[in-house]
Parts: sequence; structure tokens; C-alpha cells
Amino acid sequence: AQSVTQPDIHITVSEGASLELRCNYSYGATPYLFWYVQSPGQGLQLLLKYFSGDTLVQGIKGFEAEFKRSQSSFNLRKPSVHWSDAAEYFCAVGVGGNTPLVFGKGTRLSVIA
Amino acid sequence: DGGITQSPKYLFRKEGQNVTLSCEQNLNHDAMYWYRQDPGQGLRLIYYSQIVNDFQKGDIAEGYSVSREKKESFPLTVTSAQKNPTAFYLCASTTLGGRNTGELFFGEGSRLTVL
Repeated sequence: AQSVTQPDIHITVSEGASLELRCNYSYGATPYLFWYVQSPGQGLQLLLKYFSGDTLVQGIKGFEAEFKRSQSSFNLRKPSVHWSDAAEYFCAVGVGGNTPLVFGKGTRLSVIA
Repeated sequence: DGGITQSPKYLFRKEGQNVTLSCEQNLNHDAMYWYRQDPGQGLRLIYYSQIVNDFQKGDIAEGYSVSREKKESFPLTVTSAQKNPTAFYLCASTTLGGRNTGELFFGEGSRLTVL
């Protein structure tokens, strides 16, 4: 079965600084990979997704993520963080065939002035 | 507007009472899901349904029940058998078949507090 690890429970960055959130997955083949964002008390919103092809994917709100097969990773990046990016971020892996997505435990991002 | 509607957004109940959370979607999605979210635990799958009148247990189904009588609706009942029901509950849906990737669309969630 597939699994997802987000090693960082909580990250604090200064506004304007760059951001990288880590995600590692376990699966025998290339999975479908997703990053979602959740503001407090809200549902999850899709930031970006990787299915195949170009390993660098662009998403909404200026986020991007890079799939690295050799490292089983799908890290999320943003060159300059805004205070409104403070939220919880979830990485998820899917394997198709109608199997439900598996989510990581999330990384909470705090942004300081 | 197409989307997923969860209600109520906030719910308070006394211990020992059953409660039902509503989830309705007008996206014509085939599959619907219920997740439970607790701080530091991520999202844990409770139940899911891929077709009307059929559903499967997820990782933490004990103390919960569901029904899927219509494609658009997937209510979740939190029964008195659920030991620690206070949590944030999220409903999601997706299409199936073809080149389905499993991408989920989420509702806004329901926060249940048991007093």
C-alpha cells in the first residue's frame, strides 16, 4: 500500500523568504501526487498535482513542486512567502484504479513579519 | 455553482447521542468520502462510496455509519459507539473510471463537539 510522510510538523518563515515543504512517498510505481492547502476551519483546496511528464509542476498562488523519482519526493516550493500563505499543507498520493488518496499528516506553516 | 455542501458547519451534542452530518454534491461525481481530522493526525478515511447503495470501510470506520441512497448525497452518522467523536469532519468527492487520478474535491467541513 502507498504511504506519505511529511517530516516537518511545523515550519515558521519570514514574510518574503523562500519556502520548501517536504513530502516523501512510498509506492512501487509512479503515483499521482497532490498538494492541498487548508486554512483554519476550512476544507482543503488543491494547490497542484503531478500525473506524468514534466517533473516540475506549477500550481496556484505561486506554488510549484518537483517530482524526484530517485528520492521518492514531491517537495512544495514558493520563492517568496506572503502572510496569507499561513495555513496547513497536505501532501497526498494516489495510485489510480479508484483507490482512495492517502494523505500525509500535514505541515503547519506560520509566517512572521 | 458546482460544489460540495456540508451541514451543519458546527454541531454540539451530548455524550451518548447519535448525530448525522450531511454531505451533498452537485458535481455529478461518482465517489464520495468521509474523512476525520484531528490536530497532528492528518486526514483519516472513515468510509467511502463509489456507487449508489454501496460503500466501503476506511481506516477508522468503528462507531460510524453511512448510507448512499442517491448519487448526490452521502450522510455520515456518528453513533454513540464512537469513543471520541469530537473532531473536524470533511466530505470529499471525485469522478471514477477513465484516466481517474483520484483528485478529491472537498467540502468546507463540519466541526462536531461532544459535551
